[in-house]
Amino acid sequence: EVVMTQSPATLSVSPGERATLSCRASQSVSSNLAWYRQKPGQAPRLLMHGAPTGATDISARFSASGSGTEFTLTISSLQSEDCAVYYCLQYNNWPQTFGQGTKVEIK
Amino acid sequence: EVQLVQSGAEVKKPGESLKISCKGSGYSFSSYWIGWVRQMPGKGPELMGIIYPSDSDTRYSPSFQGQVSISADKSITTAYLQWSSLKASDTAMYYCARIPGGRDGHNYCDYWGQGTQVTVSS
Repeated sequence: EVVMTQSPATLSVSPGERATLSCRASQSVSSNLAWYRQKPGQAPRLLMHGAPTGATDISARFSASGSGTEFTLTISSLQSEDCAVYYCLQYNNWPQTFGQGTKVEIK
Repeated sequence: EVQLVQSGAEVKKPGESLKISCKGSGYSFSSYWIGWVRQMPGKGPELMGIIYPSDSDTRYSPSFQGQVSISADKSITTAYLQWSSLKASDTAMYYCARIPGGRDGHNYCDYWGQGTQVTVSS
């Protein structure tokens, strides 16, 4: 099973500043990596898939990059509505596996 | 509009059986994999298994093989997750999610149900 490791566990960012979230795979997953946002009491929501491409209908403040084992999700200018837990998911290998999450909060 | 609507919260005792459901609408239910995802409090989601409703092809993640049973009834566009004997450690939120793309099931989850809280306590 591919192990996905996210860092940091918690990220405190001032409003309007950039937030950079990392996700590392225990083996190459090519570009088969998706990002989700989960707010309290809600199901995860798909943000991006295909690592640097394949954005869903989300704000242009979100961008993703990476391939192989190292991936990054960037929020260019943090807004209060971005406070949530963010998860990465690899879907290159069975079973698909999620990271443990990065909690983004306003400083 | 794609929707996955799950059955309501359940409170059960250890050893009891349970079947929860996920009804899909707004798309061709038979042509997309449905996955079941467990999320324990404060933890990341875990894919338990997937089912292709067209022919009920089912695959289980190794950690969940033999622990649960996944089924689907395409005539009523509903997928199910079932336990024969619940344990306290099964207490969690359970989501169903649609998996788009090819027949191999190797893809991300795009649409999610609202979740079903299962609590197992004596």
